[in-house]
Amino acid sequence: DAKTTQPPSMDCAEGRAANLPCNHSTISGNEYVYWYRQIHSQGPQYIIHGLKNNETNEMASLIITEDRKSSTLILPHATLRDTAVYYCIVRSGSARQLTFGSGTQLTVLP
Amino acid sequence: DAGVIQSPRHEVTEMGQEVTLRCKPISGHNSLFWYRQTMMRGLELLIYFNNNVPIDDSGMPEDRFSAKMPNASFSTLKIQPSEPRDSAVYFCASSFRAGGTDTQYFGPGTRLTVL
Repeated sequence: DAKTTQPPSMDCAEGRAANLPCNHSTISGNEYVYWYRQIHSQGPQYIIHGLKNNETNEMASLIITEDRKSSTLILPHATLRDTAVYYCIVRSGSARQLTFGSGTQLTVLP
Repeated sequence: DAGVIQSPRHEVTEMGQEVTLRCKPISGHNSLFWYRQTMMRGLELLIYFNNNVPIDDSGMPEDRFSAKMPNASFSTLKIQPSEPRDSAVYFCASSFRAGGTDTQYFGPGTRLTVL
């Protein structure tokens, strides 16, 4: 699976959009981009995933660049409860496991 | 809907004792995964099952670790004998796979402390 690069930490003001970047320049054509988050002391929580097209669900939006070498997770209106470590994972369709990197610690400030 | 259920949530035991962690996957899911999380190594996959059959146990650290899935609604991870270095948070995850990719949903974890 392709390697991902994320900033170690970010801050965001409550109520504002949080934009979390992820670089995956070695991604191949059959690899999906997954986002999970882990709130302190809880299990990882699935957020969203995509292959080529932008995706949106009730939690977030995923914007994937046309060349697929990077993506951005957008939390449209961040709340204090969104403070967590966010993991960007690139995974082929046939892969079974999720390989978690270091992620981005997002802190939502009041 | 109930998510993945794990028990116990916390376990404190002494070195040399047997430890059994339990997992109930989401109903209807056909794949189950055991992960371990430590500060030093992050989240690691230990083993996964597909249709109750172990597919890949290459992540199991050593013979002291064993996992079973006797039916579609229950799995155990056993450590015998336990050692202090086994202290970690153990997560169970499940998914439904029918071609293409699948999405794994994680349980709340079991925090294991071996003294």
